[in-house]
Amino acid sequence: EPEVTQTPSHQVTQMGQEVILRCVPISNHLYFYWYRQILGQKVEFLVSFYNNEISEKSEIFDDQFSVERPDGSNFTLKIRSTKLEDSAMYFCASRGDRVGYTFGSGTRLTVV
Amino acid sequence: RKEVEQDPGPFNVPEGATVAFNCTYSNSASQSFFWYRQDCRKEPKLLMSVYSSGNEDGRFTAQLNRASQYISLLIRDSKLSDSATYLCVVPFSGGYNKLIFGAGTRLAVHP
Repeated sequence: EPEVTQTPSHQVTQMGQEVILRCVPISNHLYFYWYRQILGQKVEFLVSFYNNEISEKSEIFDDQFSVERPDGSNFTLKIRSTKLEDSAMYFCASRGDRVGYTFGSGTRLTVV
Repeated sequence: RKEVEQDPGPFNVPEGATVAFNCTYSNSASQSFFWYRQDCRKEPKLLMSVYSSGNEDGRFTAQLNRASQYISLLIRDSKLSDSATYLCVVPFSGGYNKLIFGAGTRLAVHP
């Protein structure tokens, strides 16, 4: 069964550092998403990406966040200057035109 | 009213019990709904889709009441392996269909 792959599974970073979270969506999917889940809280939408551009973003997705699909396979989330409150599980997801969502297994980001 | 609201639980039930979870949603234009299951520190996994009045899959039954904007999930004959958090999820009715998650209901099935 096709999978969405995320790396790394766990990232520890110092406050103020830049991090890049990587995702390889399912190859024939068209829509790509990042969600995050702070420990003990609900899953929250961050951004959707379609046709090589951001199609929608939430209030959480401020200027510190960016996404890229640099080579047609990887889909990355960059946080420029991490804050303690960025500590969370970050889930990548993709879906096709008539196919439902598939979530990756997540990256646990810990900002210290 | 919250976009998607669930009773957080926890529901502690013995094996073999029947348990029901409720969910209310605020967007009356929503057409499809999902129940996801999430194990601790894992990704959400699709359990059931609910497109019309209801859906049944083995021990699991989901029902939709559009007039009351209410979705339910019934689990019959609970197993230990059903212990997880159950997420009510509503696609936002827009072109890119971001998912709006409820906070989840925690289920613990004990022997």
